[in-house]
Amino acid sequence: GAVVSQHPSWVICKSGTSVKIECRSLDFQATTMFWYRQFPKQSLMLMATSNEGSKATYEQGVEKDKFLINHASLTLSTLTVTSAHPEDSSFYICSARVPRQETQYFGPGTRLLVL
Amino acid sequence: QKEVEQDPGPLSVPEGAIVSLNCTYSNSAFQYFMWYRQYSRKGPELLMYTYSSGNKEDGRFTAQVDKSSKYISLFIRDSQPSDSATYLCAMRVSSGYSTLTFGKGTMLLVSP
Repeated sequence: GAVVSQHPSWVICKSGTSVKIECRSLDFQATTMFWYRQFPKQSLMLMATSNEGSKATYEQGVEKDKFLINHASLTLSTLTVTSAHPEDSSFYICSARVPRQETQYFGPGTRLLVL
Repeated sequence: QKEVEQDPGPLSVPEGAIVSLNCTYSNSAFQYFMWYRQYSRKGPELLMYTYSSGNKEDGRFTAQVDKSSKYISLFIRDSQPSDSATYLCAMRVSSGYSTLTFGKGTMLLVSP
């Protein structure tokens, strides 16, 4: 299957700082990538859909100024959590849709802890 | 009523058992159905993908879709302790930019 990587795998930061998470499709070009958030023992919550070369589409209730998404190339999307606070601590997972397929492949996730 | 219903479990079985995992859904427009396996603290891994009704087999895994009943299943034969994980069903409509709708996931525990 297609491979999606994420970096970093985990990050600890102080409250008020910004954190950038990278999502890369390694063996295919992804015109569409997705960012999810997952709390312990809960399912995935879609935050935004990112299309290469255009602005991300955010789900209702997700602050676009707080969670900045950039999809500048066909293999890279980034999520920046700005002015992070402890309530932003979570597991962030990206996924990418393989062109001409209906499936999505997920990255390994990034665990964020804001102190 | 939620769009996709999935029993959270946990479902505990002995090694070697046949496991049946299920989801029901309410949106008849769903056309594509997927099963993902998620180990603790890892991203979901795509296991099976089916389109419309029918069965699909891959090794020890069989995915089944019954669109008339709005019911999908994942069967695992000869279950192994390494199968212990959370299994998420996911589905989407046919339009090109639609997103996946996930079930909450079923936690499976296979004991040696």
